[in-house]
Parts: sequence; structure tokens; C-alpha cells
Amino acid sequence: SYELTQPPSVSVSPGQTASLTCSGEDLAKKYVCWYQQRPGQSPVLVIYHDNKRPSGIPERFSGSNSGNAATLTITGTQAMDEADYFCQAWDGGTSCVFGTGTKVTVL
Amino acid sequence: EVQLIQSGTEVKNPGASVKISCKASGYNFGDYYIHWIQQAPGKGLEWMGLVDPEDGETRFAERFQGRVTITADTSSDTAYMELSTLTSEDTALYYCTKGSVVRGIIAPFDCWGQGTLITVSS
Repeated sequence: SYELTQPPSVSVSPGQTASLTCSGEDLAKKYVCWYQQRPGQSPVLVIYHDNKRPSGIPERFSGSNSGNAATLTITGTQAMDEADYFCQAWDGGTSCVFGTGTKVTVL
Repeated sequence: EVQLIQSGTEVKNPGASVKISCKASGYNFGDYYIHWIQQAPGKGLEWMGLVDPEDGETRFAERFQGRVTITADTSSDTAYMELSTLTSEDTALYYCTKGSVVRGIIAPFDCWGQGTLITVSS
């Protein structure tokens, strides 16, 4: 079955840039979404179709997808961005796969 | 405002079944697939399956095939997820979520319920 791998944790200082990766075989051939999950809350879509932001998501969130990896970039990270982030893609159009998740800590 | 409101916490014995609900509002329920996602304590997200509310078509993740039933009632704009033969490994938070593309299976999930905690314990 298809797998998406993320680093368990990323630490970033306030105002700095955080780059979160999501690795999967030929991932560039699939559309990738990213979800933010703050502690005790439901996930929220922050990036879809590799690099598009839903209405209401700050411009500091951006995405890219190339080769075997997708990247979520948070530019000018704020304390409120501290959360778990999950990438997600569809495998063959029949099965949804989530990444293992990355915990972002804003120090 | 688009909302998905889920039913409350359930506590079940091993071997039992559980059925939880997800009430939709603020959009045309029949136009968008509803998906169910499992999140075990301290763990990641795992897709369980989906239902097309319009015609009841379902698809399931291999891991849950045969043990999960997902249905939708367009008269009440409510989706249901039933999980049978429960074990302690089913203790988790269960979310319903909707796809964001009309009649689209492969679509981002743009609205999530608040989650329903199912605890399996003797």
C-alpha cells in the first residue's frame, strides 16, 4: 500500500521559516493536501492541490510538490502555528492516504 | 455556515458494535461525499471510507473492509458509521469530513466534524 512519510518534529523560532516535508513514491504525480491540527481540535485544510490556499488561510502558508516529496512552508511562523501537520494524497483514486504527521514547535 | 455535528462519546465492551452519526448543515448534503477518519490516541489520521449520500455508494480502506458500514440519510442530512467486533485497538477519536468537490471522490476535505470518542473497554 502507498505510504507518505513525514519527519516527526520540526522546531522553529518565531518569525522564522518552517519547512515540512512529505515523502512518497512519485508523489508529484498526485495532488497533495496539508492539514493543520491544533491540540484538542479537528484538522483544518491549509493547502490543497499542492499549492493552493483555501479562503481564510494566511498567506504565510505555501506548498510545493516535486519528484518524490511535497513541502509545506510556513514563512514568518507565529506561535499560533504550533500544531501537528498532516499531508494527504489519494492512491489510485480509490484510497486516501495520510502522512505520519509532523509536530511543529515554535520556540 | 457549513457544519458537521457529530454524536457524543461512546463506551463499549469488546466484541460489541457501535454506530455514530454526523449531521450536516449549510450545504446541499447530496452533492458532496462524506468520509470517516480514525485517530487513535496520540496517533495520526487514518482514512476509513466514504459514502456518496446521493446514491449510497461506499468505498472502504482495506484495513476496515468487512467491519465498517457507512450510510447516509438524505431526509435528515445525516451520515452514519458503524463499526463491529470492537477491540481495544478501536479506541480512538472518529471524525466525519466532507469532500470539497461536487460529486468528486478525490477532493480535499474542507469541513470536519468535532470528533466522536469511542472507548472500548471491559
